[in-house]
Amino acid sequence: GNSVTQMEGPVTLSEEAFLTINCTYTATGYPSLFWYVQYPGEGLQLLLKATKADDKGSNKGFEATYRKETTSFHLEKGSVQVSDSAVYFCALPLWGGSQGNLIFGKGTKLSVKP
Amino acid sequence: GAVVSQHPSRVICKSGTSVKIECRSLDFQATTMFWYRQFPKKSLMLMATSNEGSKATYEQGVEKDKFLINHASLTLSTLTVTSAHPEDSSFYICSAQANPNEKLFFGSGTQLSVL
Repeated sequence: GNSVTQMEGPVTLSEEAFLTINCTYTATGYPSLFWYVQYPGEGLQLLLKATKADDKGSNKGFEATYRKETTSFHLEKGSVQVSDSAVYFCALPLWGGSQGNLIFGKGTKLSVKP
Repeated sequence: GAVVSQHPSRVICKSGTSVKIECRSLDFQATTMFWYRQFPKKSLMLMATSNEGSKATYEQGVEKDKFLINHASLTLSTLTVTSAHPEDSSFYICSAQANPNEKLFFGSGTQLSVL
């Protein structure tokens, strides 16, 4: 099956700093790739996704580009805010192309200080 | 957006007892629900996939007799950890999906501690 490796945290940044959270994967074929976010006390939510190579997913100022040559899907944001403090998970389907049977990275906890 | 409610959020039990965790889709019908488990500092791992009205499909290495999954209705799936032991202590999360390849909605998780 597929697998994912995610940069471990925790990551602590000051407001307006640049954020990168690394994610690399191994997969058969070219599955969709996802970033999920979990805010304190809430369930995981889809942050962004990319469905094919060279696609860029974006949402709430976050971006990630599906790079098949480096098998990576790094999450970036140019200027983080305190409200971005959360745990971020990189994910892809465990097998096949289904969006449901996801395998997740270990999660990276981001804390943004004012 | 759609809401998935998971209950309880935290449970502490004695070794040898069974614990039931509920996962409800509050405003949509979930044909498929998924159960995940996360060990401290480890990845969130898929345990099983359950489709309403049929038996759950367990991932390799997950004991189906230990982790009983029931998905008797389109809005409710339950995970029962039978004869729990300290090594079953973990964070369990469910997710629900209305139709294949549609968006997943997650519960907020259940922290199980077995003494």
